Parts: sequence; structure tokens; C-alpha cells
Amino acid sequence: SYVLTQPPSVSVAPGKTARFSCGGSDIGSKSVHWYQQKPGQAPVLVIYYDRDRPSGIPERFSGSNSGNTATLTISRVEPADEADYYCQVWDRNSDHLVFGGGTRLTVL
Amino acid sequence: EVQLVESGGGLVQPGRSLRLSCAASGFSFNAFWMHWVRQAPGKGLVWVARVSNDEITTNYADSVKGRFTISRDNAKNLLFLQMNSLRVDDTAVYFCARVVPGVDTPMFDFWGPGTLVTVSS
Repeated sequence: SYVLTQPPSVSVAPGKTARFSCGGSDIGSKSVHWYQQKPGQAPVLVIYYDRDRPSGIPERFSGSNSGNTATLTISRVEPADEADYYCQVWDRNSDHLVFGGGTRLTVL
Repeated sequence: EVQLVESGGGLVQPGRSLRLSCAASGFSFNAFWMHWVRQAPGKGLVWVARVSNDEITTNYADSVKGRFTISRDNAKNLLFLQMNSLRVDDTAVYFCARVVPGVDTPMFDFWGPGTLVTVSS
């Protein structure tokens, strides 16, 4: 089955840029979606179709996808961005939805 | 306002069964594909199952296939997850989630708050 690999943690100072990688075999050929989840809350979609932002998501959030890695970027990080971030794809070969293991963002 | 509210969670012994429900409101439930996603304590999100709007198509994660059944009642705006032969590693918060309409790959725009299932003797 298809596997998405995310680093467990990322730390960044306020105002700096945070980058979250999501690795998968030829992930560039898939559509990647990203979710933010804060403690005790349901996830929130922050990026869809690799790079599009839902309404209400700040422009500071952006995404890219190529080759074997998709990336979520948060510019000018704020303390409120501290959360877990998950990438997600649909694997057509197995008709399974797949999440990455998640990356915890710590704002120093 | 779109709302999804799960119920039916609780403490259950290994090998027993439990049925979760997800009550939907604020949208045309019968037009949307729906999924169940779970999250073990302190762990990441894991997909469980999906059902088409007309209940013709269902798919399951390998870890639950043959034990869990997803279904829906469009007349009552309810989504279900029948969980049989429960195992300790099924312990998790179970979320129902709505698929964004009109997309070619599923993504979720609304989630319920989740219901906790604890499997323990």
C-alpha cells in the first residue's frame, strides 16, 4: 500500500518560515492535501490540490509538489500556527485514502 | 451551518461490537460521500472507510476490512460504522468527515468532533 513519510517535528522561531515535507513514491503525480490539527480539535484543511488555499486560510500558507516530495510552507510563522500537520492523498491503485504520519510544529 | 456529530463511542471489551453514528445537518447529506477517520491517543490520523452518497461504493482500510461496515441512512441524515471483533488496537477517536463536492480525489471540508472508542478488558 502507498506510504507517505513526514518528519515527526519541525521547530521554528516566530516570523520565520516553516517547511513540512511529505515523501511518497512519485507523489508529484498525485494530488496532495494538507490539514492542520490543534490539540483536542478536528483537522482543518489548509491546502488542497498541492497548492490551493481554502477560503479563510491565510496567504502565509502555500504548497508545492514535485517528484517524490510534497511541501507545505508557512511563512512568517505565528504562535497560533503551532499544531500537527498532515499530508493526504488518494491511492487509486488500492482505493485507499492515505495520511502521512504528521509533523508537529513547535514555535520557539 | 454544516454540522457533523458522532456518537456511540465508549468502553468495550475485545471481541465485542459497537456501532458508531454520525448525525449530519445543514447540508444535503444525500449528495455527499462520507468517510470515517480514526486517531489513536497521541498518534496520527488513519483512514478507516468511505461510502458513496448512494451507498453503492464502499472501501475499507486493510486493518478493518471484514470487521467494520460503513453504511448510511440518507432519509435520516445518518452515517454509521458497525465495528465487530474489536481489538485493543482499534482504540481511538473516530471522526466522520465530509468530502468536498465535485473533486476527483477525496479531501475533507468538514469533520465532526469525534467519539472515543476504548477497547479494553
